[in-house]
Amino acid sequence: DAKTTQPPSMDCAEGRAANLPCNHSTISGNEYVYWYRQIHSQGPQYIIHGLKNNETNEMASLIITEDRKSSTLILPHATLRDTAVYYCIVRVNNQGGKLIFGQGTELSVKP
Amino acid sequence: GAGVSQSPSNKVTEKGKDVELRCDPISGHTALYWYRQSLGQGLEFLIYFQGNSAPDKSGLPSDRFSAERTGGSVSTLTIQRTQQEDSAVYLCASSLAAGGLQPQHFGDGTRLSIL
Repeated sequence: DAKTTQPPSMDCAEGRAANLPCNHSTISGNEYVYWYRQIHSQGPQYIIHGLKNNETNEMASLIITEDRKSSTLILPHATLRDTAVYYCIVRVNNQGGKLIFGQGTELSVKP
Repeated sequence: GAGVSQSPSNKVTEKGKDVELRCDPISGHTALYWYRQSLGQGLEFLIYFQGNSAPDKSGLPSDRFSAERTGGSVSTLTIQRTQQEDSAVYLCASSLAAGGLQPQHFGDGTRLSIL
């Protein structure tokens, strides 16, 4: 699975959009981009995934660049409850099930 | 509906003792995973089960660690002769199937402390 690079920490004001970047320059054509988050003292929570098209669900939007070497997770209106560590993971969908987590981005949403 | 349930939520034991950690996956999920998260570290894959296939044990750190899944549902992770470096949060996840596009749903973990 390709390696990902994320900033270790970010701040965001409550009510504003949080834009979390992820670099995955060695991603291959059959690897998907997944995002999970982990709120303190809880297990990770799935957010969204995509291959090459932008994706949106009730939690977030995922923007993937045309060359697929980077992506951005967007939380459109961040709340205090969005404070968590956000993990960007790339993996092939037809090979095993394990997720390989990096260090993630610690997002702090401030009032 | 009910999520992934893990028990106990906290476990304190003495070095050298054996421990068993339990995971109840979401009903109908055929894939089950164990991870651990040490203080200040990321999540580390341990093992996963998919239906009746042989489990992928490639992440188990030593032969003191083992896991089983009975009846395709409940799983138990066993650590024998515990060491202080085994102290961590042990997380279980399940999904409808391994691989594919199915997201993994995690429990809140068992916090294991070895004295």
